[in-house]
Amino acid sequence: KQEVTQIPAALSVPEGENLVLNCSFTDSAIYNLQWFRQDPGKGLTSLLLIQSSQREQTSGRLNASLDKSSGRSTLYIAASQPGDSATYLCAVSYYQLIWGAGTKLIIKP
Amino acid sequence: DVKVTQSSRYLVKRTGEKVFLECVQDMDHENMFWYRQDPGLGLRLIYFSYDVKMKEKGDIPEGYSVSREKKERFSLILESASTNQTSMYLCASSFGSSYGYTFGSGTRLTVV
Repeated sequence: KQEVTQIPAALSVPEGENLVLNCSFTDSAIYNLQWFRQDPGKGLTSLLLIQSSQREQTSGRLNASLDKSSGRSTLYIAASQPGDSATYLCAVSYYQLIWGAGTKLIIKP
Repeated sequence: DVKVTQSSRYLVKRTGEKVFLECVQDMDHENMFWYRQDPGLGLRLIYFSYDVKMKEKGDIPEGYSVSREKKERFSLILESASTNQTSMYLCASSFGSSYGYTFGSGTRLTVV
């Protein structure tokens, strides 16, 4: 059974720092992995989609990596800003989407 | 810009009412999904559809039904709303498992 874990559950850092969010999964037979952002009371915004054949994807200050063999993905956020404060969720496309519990990120001005 | 639109951001309904949550996508996606999200429980799949007039139960279908009469529209129906159905409801669509999912902005439903 596929399980997805996100560590840490919460993270608070000063503005300007580079940071890494982690996502691990137990079964490497995935189609892809997707990172989402969720602001309080809002829907999910897709940040990055990494196909199983890819190693990484970049969008602006965000970089996501995927290591299928070890069952890990990281989301790297460069030069963090207060507007980056949100909950970040990863999901693996397996049979259906299997979700991590999220990392709540707070960027302190 | 591609979109998944949920008709209501906030809804307040009374216990026993029949509730319709509407979702429309403009991306010609075959697959559409309804999730609910609750603190501490994460996202849970209620129903999904792979094609018009097709529906499949997700992990928590009890108390819900769905309708997909047109490709772009997927409706979630609460036959008789109960207080334990108070939640955030999220609709999503996708071309398939190999593709990414696009989510709507969510409907916060409160049943009183």
